[in-house]
Amino acid sequence: DVQLVESGGGFLKPAESLRLSCAASGFTFSNVWLTWVRQAPGKRLEWVARIKNKAEGGTTNYAAPVKGRFIVSRDDSKNMLYLEMNSLRSEDTAVYYCATGGGYDALAAWGQGTMVTVS
Amino acid sequence: QTVVTQEPSLSVSPGGTVTLTCALSSDSVSATYYPSWYQRAPGQAPRRLIYRTNIRASGVTDRFTGSILGDKAALTITGAQEDDESDYYCALHMGPDLWLFGGGTKLTVL
Repeated sequence: DVQLVESGGGFLKPAESLRLSCAASGFTFSNVWLTWVRQAPGKRLEWVARIKNKAEGGTTNYAAPVKGRFIVSRDDSKNMLYLEMNSLRSEDTAVYYCATGGGYDALAAWGQGTMVTVS
Repeated sequence: QTVVTQEPSLSVSPGGTVTLTCALSSDSVSATYYPSWYQRAPGQAPRRLIYRTNIRASGVTDRFTGSILGDKAALTITGAQEDDESDYYCALHMGPDLWLFGGGTKLTVL
């Protein structure tokens, strides 16, 4: 079974940094695109960042609110996805989900999420 | 700013049929937006139900059907069951690697 488990969330102050991790299993990790999505309290889901597989260049893309502050990366040898979050703001407070996909087939599998609170 | 709109809440009787819709503020929704639908039960991770407008994800019952109705994407649930009671989200592909999500529909089965 496909499994995605996020970790690394916590309570931080504005301007601090944090790295989220997503451990994957049950599929060929290196073949897939991976995406981070977040949901702030009382708000809708928001696409955050995407990284392609290495065969397609491993390119990254970011939503405007996080561009220049967040970095998505992957370690295919460890089946791990990361989101490095810098210069955190209160509006980054959200549950962060990792998911497989992000192309036209949308987001196939999701983790349970990890909470980040910036205050 | 472009917004994706869903019904905030709907209810359906057990065994009944309900249609959830997904509208785009700036345009009619068509297959070119690759509409997808997700179910999120309380305390669970979101689960993809439908992608590319009408393709059911693996393991999804044929009680769930995606379509375009008029200028909106639609998710129709037939033969509603108690465990269909969930939040449902649509998402539209708005450009290179950008997905916009609707606000979600809370479906009650009663």
